[in-house]
Amino acid sequence: GDSVTQMEGPVTLSEEAFLTINCTYTATGYPSLFWYVQYPGEGLQLLLKATKADDKGSNKGFEATYRKETTSFHLEKGSVQVSDSAVYFCALSYTSGTYKYIFGTGTRLKVLA
Amino acid sequence: EADIYQTPRYLVIGTGKKITLECSQTMGHDKMYWYQQDPGMELHLIHYSYGVNSTEKGDLSSESTVSRIRTEHFPLTLESARPSHTSQYLCASSEGGPGVSAFFGQGTRLTVV
Repeated sequence: GDSVTQMEGPVTLSEEAFLTINCTYTATGYPSLFWYVQYPGEGLQLLLKATKADDKGSNKGFEATYRKETTSFHLEKGSVQVSDSAVYFCALSYTSGTYKYIFGTGTRLKVLA
Repeated sequence: EADIYQTPRYLVIGTGKKITLECSQTMGHDKMYWYQQDPGMELHLIHYSYGVNSTEKGDLSSESTVSRIRTEHFPLTLESARPSHTSQYLCASSEGGPGVSAFFGQGTRLTVV
C-alpha cells in the first residue's frame, strides 16, 4: 500500500547547524507531497508542499524538492534556530479520487542554543 | 490563519462515560478528517467525510463514531470511554484537489481514568 517513511528521531542539533530530515514515499500515480510541523501542544501546520516532480517547496528557510526518480522529499534548512524545535511530518495526498492524507511517523527535532 | 476549532482542548473523564469531541470549520471545506495521535507521535486516520451525510472509517479501527449533518461540523463520539481511548485527537479539513493541503485544529487531549 501507499506509505511515507521518515528518518527516526530525535534529531539533536546545535543552533546554526544544517538540517536534513529524510522522507521517502511509496505511491501509485503522482501524489502531492507536504511537510507539516507540530509544536508542543498544538495541531499540525503546513510548512511547505510540492505538487509535481522537480518542484521545490520552500518556507521560513526550509526547502524540499520532489524527486520522482528517488521517490523522496527530503526537508533541509541551512541554519536552524532554537525556535525550530518541533516535530516534523512528511505526508502525501492524491490528485484525484481519494482525498486522504498519508503521514509519516514524524521526526522530533531539538535545537540547542 | 486556518479557521478550524476543536473543543475541549483537554478532557479528563471516567471510564464508561459518553463523550463527544467537537470540531468545526468556517472555511466551507467538504472534506474533514479525524486522526488519533499516539504518544510516539504517529498519526492514524480513524474517520473521514467527503461531505454532508458522508462518513467513512479510516485506516485504524476505532470504537468511536462520527456524524456530518452540517458542512462545518464533524463531531466524534465515544459511547463508553475506556483507558485505551486515552490519546490526542486531531481534526482536519480540506477543500480537496491537487496539491491542496489539510488544515488542522489544535487537538483534544483525552485522558480516561
